[in-house]
Amino acid sequence: NAGVTQTPKFRILKIGQSMTLQCTQDMNHNYMYWYRQDPGMGLKLIYYSVGAGITDKGEVPNGYNVSRSTTEDFPLRLELAAPSQTSVYFCASSSPRQGATNTGELFFGEGSRLTVL
Amino acid sequence: GQNIDQPTEMTATEGAIVQINCTYQTSGFNGLFWYQQHAGEAPTFLSYNVLDGLEEKGRFSSFLSRSKGYSYLLLKELQMKDSASYLCAVRDEKLTFGTGTRLTIIP
Repeated sequence: NAGVTQTPKFRILKIGQSMTLQCTQDMNHNYMYWYRQDPGMGLKLIYYSVGAGITDKGEVPNGYNVSRSTTEDFPLRLELAAPSQTSVYFCASSSPRQGATNTGELFFGEGSRLTVL
Repeated sequence: GQNIDQPTEMTATEGAIVQINCTYQTSGFNGLFWYQQHAGEAPTFLSYNVLDGLEEKGRFSSFLSRSKGYSYLLLKELQMKDSASYLCAVRDEKLTFGTGTRLTIIP
């Protein structure tokens, strides 16, 4: 059971470099999310998607881009890395809440730890 | 928008009971979640409330009052492994998290 898989797990970037954080899920979930978590803080939503071809901004979208061409994949792109983007990034997925038994809980990947120097 | 408040830190004794409160102000509401997060790990799902009242799952219980915008997570028979951050999250179309409560269990 792979669940939600994120790559890479660790990455160091120089200021101004670009990179893509990959996220894939094998649970056929409609909803996917990208969060960032700074040390000692909660999770802040960057972008989310309710299905293939549909994306929307969260609380902190500046400096990031996403795409959702398939149900399984939801990559997060950093175009011009800045030190303020040093953080742990979590991808998550969920299905819509249906009835009393499906809560629509989020399933998280293990996280990608990004440092921008 | 969403505004979710939780205490930043709490300390409790092994074997005791602790209650972690969460208050929220939201434009929409489609359920409240509690997640546990150990240091350096991803959050894991603990409980879900969408109707008023108490949901019990073993040593953990969660309560919701929608009219008061209030929830709490109750942990009983505390164990050292319960030392973690506890995140309250509210859903409308998306899931918004509070800043989390770091719980430390002492012997």
